[in-house]
Amino acid sequence: EADIYQTPRYLVIGTGKKITLECSQTMGHDKMYWYQQDPGMELHLIHYSYGVNSTEKGDLSSESTVSRIRTEHFPLTLESARPSHTSQYLCASSMTGVTNEKLFFGSGTQLSVL
Amino acid sequence: AQSVSQHNHHVILSEAASLELGCNYSYGGTVNLFWYVQYPGQHLQLLLKYFSGDPLVKGIKGFEAEFIKSKFSFNLRKPSVQWSDTAEYFCAVRGGSYIPTFGRGTSLIVHP
Repeated sequence: EADIYQTPRYLVIGTGKKITLECSQTMGHDKMYWYQQDPGMELHLIHYSYGVNSTEKGDLSSESTVSRIRTEHFPLTLESARPSHTSQYLCASSMTGVTNEKLFFGSGTQLSVL
Repeated sequence: AQSVSQHNHHVILSEAASLELGCNYSYGGTVNLFWYVQYPGQHLQLLLKYFSGDPLVKGIKGFEAEFIKSKFSFNLRKPSVQWSDTAEYFCAVRGGSYIPTFGRGTSLIVHP
């Protein structure tokens, strides 16, 4: 059972609102990731972090921002949501230096922007 | 840059049928390869992985995958599927960036 939690599970908001998607893990993993997933499409990496105070943009251009002030917490923020942001957002974590390193995923946040 | 191509987007099988899902990747160096599965209503989880050694790897629930370096492939197989195998399957590759790149997934439906 993965110990990585995302809230909210579903979110419906209006255009222009500021939102924060929460992601927390209790496994002490140093690496954390945000992927965007649309039906029938690849998981696109939008942000990742190698540890506290380390954040990088991923392959997919995103208007979102992230922060990593604590090891266990990796929130994603949209300053002004638009309908094009409607998607599923998946958070994941992994441990560096483990030879059989694998990603642990949260249950995702399904975001709908009206 | 690394990339992954999954050829089958939707697969429908009857129980006891054999399964093979295709996965090809592009990356010129050493790779780690993964198959992840997402059962309905559940989070993505690791099915199996290849890091080194025996190119035929076995995962949970009777799944296996074979790494063929010359073909840049890592196809997923199961000799006899069950209704409970209905899920979305994602192939992923990790090369020089050390961050996995995922394919678009294959939706598998198994009829009882």
